[in-house]
Amino acid sequence: ETGVTQTPRHLVMGMTNKKSLKCEQHLGHNAMYWYKQSAKKPLELMFVYSLEERVENNSVPSRFSPECPNSSHLFLHLHTLQPEDSALYLCASSSGTRGGEQFFGPGTRLTVL
Amino acid sequence: GIQVEQSPPDLILQEGANSTLRCNFSDSVNNLQWFHQNPWGQLINLFYIPSGTKQNGRLSATTVATERYSLLYISSSQTTDSGVYFCAVVMLWDDYKLSFGAGTTVTVRA
Repeated sequence: ETGVTQTPRHLVMGMTNKKSLKCEQHLGHNAMYWYKQSAKKPLELMFVYSLEERVENNSVPSRFSPECPNSSHLFLHLHTLQPEDSALYLCASSSGTRGGEQFFGPGTRLTVL
Repeated sequence: GIQVEQSPPDLILQEGANSTLRCNFSDSVNNLQWFHQNPWGQLINLFYIPSGTKQNGRLSATTVATERYSLLYISSSQTTDSGVYFCAVVMLWDDYKLSFGAGTTVTVRA
């Protein structure tokens, strides 16, 4: 595997389900990110982890819970989501240097019924 | 927060034509990236260009940081160039947060 990978690529869940999105980076980076892309809206940052510590939480509802067990893996745990949470969720990583280039995974397309 | 404005919002080209996409930003930045989003949603890195000029094949980009704008040039466009092009910046006083523009949707017709 190379670059940034995400699983699953597609996910359909009910509002009462609990699911997790997984991201893995193979670039030796030490910063990882979750972004959300909703229809007709610009991509927006959700969470940032640097050296496995959360450095930014962009006013995201608590039904989204991130986890970064090491510098290569990032999870987004989902519970009691709403239909308006349906979106493309993108993971990214960077070398952690100030303003360093970010590289994105292919995304998970989430549908909440 | 920082404002990132892209123009035009939509662009229709005949195959072989040249085009210029523009990105204006409202504050000083230490990162500016151009991406191409393919139909499956993947963001493909085109340029990391906080300042200066770069070229990669038929694509080139120029960022004039002092005037707070960047331009992406597509020459001899091909149908595979179709998709959405995003500009994104990290503010000078921030370390990580990429703020995205709304994108330019490019359609190249054969």
